[in-house]
Amino acid sequence: AQKITQTQPGMFVQEKEAVTLDCTYDTSDPSYGLFWYKQPSSGEMIFLIYQGSYDQQNATEGRYSLNFQKARKSANLVISASQLGDSAMYFCAMSRAEAGNMLTFGGGTRLMVKP
Amino acid sequence: DTAVSQTPKYLVTQMGNDKSIKCEQNLGHDTMYWYKQDSKKFLKIMFSYNNKELIINETVPNRFSPKSPDKAHLNLHINSLELGDSAVYFCASSQWWGAGKPLGEKLFFGSGTQLSVL
Repeated sequence: AQKITQTQPGMFVQEKEAVTLDCTYDTSDPSYGLFWYKQPSSGEMIFLIYQGSYDQQNATEGRYSLNFQKARKSANLVISASQLGDSAMYFCAMSRAEAGNMLTFGGGTRLMVKP
Repeated sequence: DTAVSQTPKYLVTQMGNDKSIKCEQNLGHDTMYWYKQDSKKFLKIMFSYNNKELIINETVPNRFSPKSPDKAHLNLHINSLELGDSAVYFCASSQWWGAGKPLGEKLFFGSGTQLSVL
């Protein structure tokens, strides 16, 4: 069975600094996808970034980048130049070829940006 | 237009009651899901439907019964509500299911239904 682990329940970052949110995963499937979602206090789930297991380059979307280290089974999210609006829960998730697009989520990291 | 809409947003009810949460997507997607987010923010898949057919049922109690009248709708009916059912329930949709589908097909989530059982 696949498993997603986010070891940081909560983190603080100073506004305008970069922050890395950790995510490790465990799967024996050769083909899988890794996602990050943001959940602000309003509750909605917002897609941030995606990385495929066969992608050679790390994914980037604006201020978000995914530090994908396949051998270590890690998919850390890097947020550059943090903004107050980045304060939220962040979830790492994985999809597998054999399970359709069902996402399995990690436990989440609460990020708090300090002014 | 909201892509995935759920109603109601808040649901407060007594133990033992029966309640329903409705979900509709206007994205033309084939696959819809129900996820449960507990008080510790952990998100867990409950059900998945592809084109009105159940494809995933993650050991959810029989009191939970999803119904998909068409591929744009996936409703969740809960019988005999218990205190432990209190959670946020998210509906989601995606376009693909099955072999050969792109793994990067992201899920579109509704805004969630906060269920409180008293």
